[in-house]
Amino acid sequence: AQTVTQSQPEMSVQEAETVTLSCTYDTSESDYYLFWYKQPPSRQMILVIRQEAYKQQNATENRFSVNFQKAAKSFSLKISDSQLGDAAMYFCAYRSAQDNAGNMLTFGGGTRLMVKP
Amino acid sequence: DSGVTQTPKHLITATGQRVTLRCSPRSGDLSVYWYQQSLDQGLQFLIQYYNGEERAKGNILERFSAQQFPDLHSELNLSSLELGDSALYFCASSVRPRAEQFFGPGTRLTVL
Repeated sequence: AQTVTQSQPEMSVQEAETVTLSCTYDTSESDYYLFWYKQPPSRQMILVIRQEAYKQQNATENRFSVNFQKAAKSFSLKISDSQLGDAAMYFCAYRSAQDNAGNMLTFGGGTRLMVKP
Repeated sequence: DSGVTQTPKHLITATGQRVTLRCSPRSGDLSVYWYQQSLDQGLQFLIQYYNGEERAKGNILERFSAQQFPDLHSELNLSSLELGDSALYFCASSVRPRAEQFFGPGTRLTVL
């Protein structure tokens, strides 16, 4: 079974600065997807960014980018120019790409990000 | 707004009772997923349906059951409720099993 670990329960960053959230995962599969989800105080789960394991290029979405290290099974999220609205819980998630594996997301424990004005 | 709707938003009930949570997927989405978010267990997958058929099962208790109806909406039934069942229950949907999942706003269940 796959596991996802987020070792930082809480992080804080100054507004306009850059912060990196860590995530490691364990899997024996070679093809899979990785995601970062944001959960603001409203509790809505919002997809921030996704990465396909077969792609070597790191995904970017505006101020959000990832550092995907497949051999190390590491998938960190970098938020540049942090804004007050970035304050939220961030979850790293894994999903198998195998047809017979089901398509469920396996989540890490989350990192609470605080943004200081 | 993801297009996934869940009702009710909040539910308060007593131990031993039974409740039904409802989810309407985005228009055109055939796959529905249920997740539970609790302080103890974090976010975990419960069950997945695709076009009316059960596709995958996670850590879903025997007291819990779900189904997906012909109009593609889904219901999660929780019975013999315990205090530990208090959680936020999310429904997500996707157009097909390997596509992006979009989450609903969740149903907050409180068992007293």
